[in-house]
Amino acid sequence: GEDVEQSLFLSVREGDSSVINCTYTDSSSTYLYWYKQEPGAGLQLLTYIFSNMDMKQDQRLTVLLNKKDKHLSLRIADTQTGDSAIYFCAERRLYNFNKFYFGSGTKLNVKP
Amino acid sequence: GAGVSQSPSNKVTEKGKDVELRCDPISGHTALYWYRQSLGQGLEFLIYFQGNSAPDKSGLPSDRFSAERTGGSVSTLTIQRTQQEDSAVYLCASSTTRVTRGTEAFFGQGTRLTVV
Repeated sequence: GEDVEQSLFLSVREGDSSVINCTYTDSSSTYLYWYKQEPGAGLQLLTYIFSNMDMKQDQRLTVLLNKKDKHLSLRIADTQTGDSAIYFCAERRLYNFNKFYFGSGTKLNVKP
Repeated sequence: GAGVSQSPSNKVTEKGKDVELRCDPISGHTALYWYRQSLGQGLEFLIYFQGNSAPDKSGLPSDRFSAERTGGSVSTLTIQRTQQEDSAVYLCASSTTRVTRGTEAFFGQGTRLTVV
């Protein structure tokens, strides 16, 4: 199976919360990242979490990490149409720190 | 420069021609990565450089693909005898490999390659 898995699509209404999920397989994951890709653009880092943390909050973004289940989620509060983009989950591993492992991306569609 | 720069931003080439894609990483970043993103797909790892050497080139799809990095800075990805399935956005990223806070990868805007 894939190293990092995400669902492909998520559709929400403006003002609702969005939750994008990611699962990974390697227990040595050290840093986990969320990147955002707007149409026609490169990837921009949204936030990251170190593996010894359970939660990180940054304004409208909340990252939850369940290390036991190897599950990472990104919650976007009060989702806006400008949040429509593809969101990628990525990890770095302790024994191969120089390589990033990316998920396939979740396309978030925010309806007005 | 302030960010990762890739050129050209768009490239249309005829099937069978060779193409070169260029990446200028952030100054001082020792690690450089090439990824490919096909339409509607995720990121496919191609190759990773540490300095001028490539410890991991496991993602190169065939021997038509090669990459080099000189002076620990600029990298060139070359695709020989291009095929239509090579059409994709090629993304370059760089990072520091020091295990410090964050140490995220910074991405360029990508080169959109279309093989006709």
